[in-house]
Amino acid sequence: DGGITQSPKYLFRKEGQNVTLSCEQNLNHDAMYWYRQDPGQGLRLIYYSQIVNDFQKGDIAEGYSVSREKKESFPLTVTSAQKNPTAFYLCASSIAGTGGQETQYFGPGTRLLVL
Amino acid sequence: QKEVEQNSGPLSVPEGAIASLNCTYSDRGSQSFFWYRQYSGKSPELIMFIYSNGDKEDGRFTAQLNKASQYVSLLIRDSQPSDSATYLCAVNTPGNTPLVFGKGTRLSVIA
Repeated sequence: DGGITQSPKYLFRKEGQNVTLSCEQNLNHDAMYWYRQDPGQGLRLIYYSQIVNDFQKGDIAEGYSVSREKKESFPLTVTSAQKNPTAFYLCASSIAGTGGQETQYFGPGTRLLVL
Repeated sequence: QKEVEQNSGPLSVPEGAIASLNCTYSDRGSQSFFWYRQYSGKSPELIMFIYSNGDKEDGRFTAQLNKASQYVSLLIRDSQPSDSATYLCAVNTPGNTPLVFGKGTRLSVIA
């Protein structure tokens, strides 16, 4: 069953704590993306990667970090430097980042809450 | 700064009517246009995409693209209460940049 999985579904963070959100895809897609969505708001791009071992900052990268060591995995770490992390985090992937293959497919999302 | 604009709504239509959702974009070089549906608390799901000027139909959905006027629209015929959701427009411009998303239009279909 092909698709994008994100875990956990809900995540609670304490003050000063780093937390990591998992995103895995078995679609053989080259490009992967992380978005943040606040209530009633649109999607804001955090980071994206078009190929293994390479990634670029999006519009709101401060306080976040990523890695892309494997094609199928693109974990996002929310660091303690992100002072307002409460949001819905969405991972997406596409066959490629350009060339007419940019159609993005989304995982189910992770809801991050601060204790 | 590439921008994609949508009316936030809510757009309310009666059941069985046609819902018309509009989206304008700022980059004249944009070539790919996407519509996503997002139910409350869920992730976006792709409805359809369009690359060429004109209409593209898929079931009850029709996407319309007018590159000269820089707008793309989504028509939903025979609207159902289950169509109530937020609809996101996304645009791609060549040059290794990810899709740019609008903030979405909330549609409410009243039974």
